[in-house]
Amino acid sequence: NAGVMQNPRHLVRRRGQEARLRCSPMKGHSHVYWYRQLPEEGLKFMVYLQKENIIDESGMPKERFSAEFPKEGPSILRIQQVVRGDSAAYFCASSPGSGGVNEQYFGPGTRLTVT
Amino acid sequence: DAKTTQPPSMDCAEGRAANLPCNHSTISGNEYVYWYRQIHSQGPQYIIHGLKNNETNEMASLIITEDRKSSTLILPHATLRDTAVYYCIVSAKDNYGQNFVFGPGTRLSVLP
Repeated sequence: NAGVMQNPRHLVRRRGQEARLRCSPMKGHSHVYWYRQLPEEGLKFMVYLQKENIIDESGMPKERFSAEFPKEGPSILRIQQVVRGDSAAYFCASSPGSGGVNEQYFGPGTRLTVT
Repeated sequence: DAKTTQPPSMDCAEGRAANLPCNHSTISGNEYVYWYRQIHSQGPQYIIHGLKNNETNEMASLIITEDRKSSTLILPHATLRDTAVYYCIVSAKDNYGQNFVFGPGTRLSVLP
């Protein structure tokens, strides 16, 4: 069973460009979480999605950031007009979403560098 | 803010047991204790979780005090590959899912 996949693993963007980060959850998982890790800091929750629904986006910056998880295909985290402060590692995690406790399984991350 | 406190760093000799403590004095009755680790800059790796009983799997054991205000993750025979940042998280699943609040964790160094 393949784990959570993220691509690209490394992404370089110039200030003002758009960044698109993709996450394919584990097979059978319908819940996706996005986290951001700034250099030398812990992970911070950004958004939680189920298929075609955003459940909790309390950790998302109000501007320039958006996320989706369509019925078909991977979840996408989109950052418009990137700035240097967006440089970070972005991790997604997936969970089955059904039943009681659901541990999250993380992908390898996308390292975004804004020049 | 994270609901847990952990020592910032610990050392452990290779082959010995590593005991990583975590305080969660404000834990609620429906909150579980999860442990993850992050090796270098990789994605966090799930280790174990528990509610009130002690748990063991192929990676580690989790000991939760009777009052549930603290817990200890035990790596029975630490190896150099266990060098990582270990995160203790308390979380409950609600209608909005179960996002995790990560603290700074404990940086475990396994020494040869």
